[in-house]
Amino acid sequence: DTEVTQTPKHLVMGMTNKKSLKCEQHMGHRAMYWYKQKAKKPPELMFVYSYEKLSINESVPSRFSPECPNSSLLNLHLHALQPEDSALYLCASSQENTQYFGPGTRLTVL
Amino acid sequence: QKEVEQNSGPLSVPEGAIASLNCTYSDRVSQSFFWYRQYSGKSPELIMSIYSNGDKEDGRFTAQLNKASQYVSLLIRDSQPSDSATYLCAVRRYGQNFVFGPGTRLSVLP
Repeated sequence: DTEVTQTPKHLVMGMTNKKSLKCEQHMGHRAMYWYKQKAKKPPELMFVYSYEKLSINESVPSRFSPECPNSSLLNLHLHALQPEDSALYLCASSQENTQYFGPGTRLTVL
Repeated sequence: QKEVEQNSGPLSVPEGAIASLNCTYSDRVSQSFFWYRQYSGKSPELIMSIYSNGDKEDGRFTAQLNKASQYVSLLIRDSQPSDSATYLCAVRRYGQNFVFGPGTRLSVLP
């Protein structure tokens, strides 16, 4: 089983809303990632958690707040987003050298 | 110089032909190399990984790695219209992040 799940599939939010994206994997992977992907661009790394600790924050604005409640779950809390934050948000997990992506959340900020 | 480079395409090939996708990378100590396929609006799907110089075959796909030339390629034999997608090359140095190229858009014409 190489499945990473993400909810919701689609999210529309206003600039004053607070929402959360969720990601789950049951492969026992110890590294989990959040990426942002704009149209016709490659995935852009936002955060990396390794063994449930935040190991990389790629200078992401504080309106994005990651959380790793346990080794299987990863959340991304969103607050006061801007229209330019509209994108596909991808969660991924890896073990050894192989990284698997979830289906993504399509986020639209109005 | 970008870390991972690919021709953006589109690369158009007729159905049944061989599609050849190329990727170059700048970090000489990169150790792991990956090809992902991404359909429009979907998340990247891992199709091949390669770690040693030479060829690795999986069904219609062959990955080729030449570390001396810092070059990795993906050949798709008997291309089908369902292979039409963007192909992302990713490179990883041990313990570091996955670095993605910009992707090559492949169009297989019936």
